[in-house]
Amino acid sequence: GQQVQQSPASLVLQEGENAELQCNFSSTATQLQWFYQSPGGSLVSLLSNPSGTKHTGRLTSTTVTKERRSSLHISSSQTTDSGTYLCAIDRGTGNYKYVFGAGTRLKVIA
Amino acid sequence: GPKVLQIPSHQIIDMGQMVTLNCDPVSNHLYFYWYKQILGQQMEFLVNFYNGKVMEKSKLFKDQFSVERPDGSYFTLKIQPTALEDSAVYFCASSLLRKDTQYFGPGTRLLVL
Repeated sequence: GQQVQQSPASLVLQEGENAELQCNFSSTATQLQWFYQSPGGSLVSLLSNPSGTKHTGRLTSTTVTKERRSSLHISSSQTTDSGTYLCAIDRGTGNYKYVFGAGTRLKVIA
Repeated sequence: GPKVLQIPSHQIIDMGQMVTLNCDPVSNHLYFYWYKQILGQQMEFLVNFYNGKVMEKSKLFKDQFSVERPDGSYFTLKIQPTALEDSAVYFCASSLLRKDTQYFGPGTRLLVL
């Protein structure tokens, strides 16, 4: 079954609103990263957060490892935040590889 | 932060030709990875590589695919011959240790005609 589930699948916000993206995973994760993928396809790592809370700029990620979930909060959204947000985990079983979710497509309108 | 570079950013080739995708990983990293993302679909693991050897590969890593990193230069993904279904964005990643954070490149968009 789906190992990494992201919700919502898509989200439309007015500029200035906050966004809350969710990532649930079905197995333990030794690594968890949030990525931004631009409409052109390029990938940018936003946060590596396997547990606890981390902040960078307008982004806050909270991961509750025992409950196998992580969230990404984007405050004061901007039109340039539009794109797809991907959550990926490393299950840490033997050889390490990331398993990605399907992403949340965010559109911020002015 | 540490950067992974990928060359070229875009490549268009005819079906049946050979293509080599190049990755310049973070300089002191020891583990290397390729991922594939078909347009509109999820990113999927292809292969990981350490100490000159493939450690694990997925079912997407067909016999026509090969990886190498000769003498600490680029980490390459070669597809020979290419097929239409190889059209995708290929992402390279590297990590210092096996359990560490992976750093991703921006991707190479491959179009097979």
